Amino acid sequence: DGGITQSPKYLFRKEGQNVTLSCEQNLNHDAMYWYRQDPGQGLRLIYYSQIVNDFQKGDIAEGYSVSREKKESFPLTVTSAQKNPTAFYLCASSARTGVFSYEQYFGPGTRLTVT
Amino acid sequence: QKEVEQDPGPLSVPEGAIVSLNCTYSNSAFQYFMWYRQYSRKGPELLMYTYSSGNKEDGRFTAQVDKSSKYISLFIRDSQPSDSATYLCAILLMDTGRRALTFGSGTRLQVQP
Repeated sequence: DGGITQSPKYLFRKEGQNVTLSCEQNLNHDAMYWYRQDPGQGLRLIYYSQIVNDFQKGDIAEGYSVSREKKESFPLTVTSAQKNPTAFYLCASSARTGVFSYEQYFGPGTRLTVT
Repeated sequence: QKEVEQDPGPLSVPEGAIVSLNCTYSNSAFQYFMWYRQYSRKGPELLMYTYSSGNKEDGRFTAQVDKSSKYISLFIRDSQPSDSATYLCAILLMDTGRRALTFGSGTRLQVQP
């Protein structure tokens, strides 16, 4: 089955620790995205990547870092500099070009709790 | 002012009712309009998309766009308890540098059996 996997589903960390969230897709999509969802605020874009070895900051990139070494993978690191890291994190992917390039497919999400 | 405004609800309706979900947006350059459905603690799934003013129908769902008013709607006919979820409108700005969605805050819908 083609799709996007995110692991783990739930993640707990102590304040001050960096944590990396995994996102893998087998849809052969070029573009990948990370969003953060907080109650009542919809989804906000953290980082996105249109192609391997290239990525851009979204609206709320401070305190986060990403890498895109492989087409299938787009891990997100939540650093200790992120002031309010507790949230639901969603990874998405889409084809970069073509008529279906606007369709973004989402993974199941990772709920991160930092105490 | 947020780029996309959406009433958070919750909206509670009886089974079989017609549901109307709405969003307004501020940027005239937005080109694609989408509706996602998100069940609790799950990732959003794409329901419908459209890029022009007018209506688009898919089964019990109808998406409506009025670009002159910057207003988009999703209508659900014969609503079912399984439609209970949060509905997110999302708008895509198709400039070359950023092809990422701008989301509304979501409307929580509860369909009572």
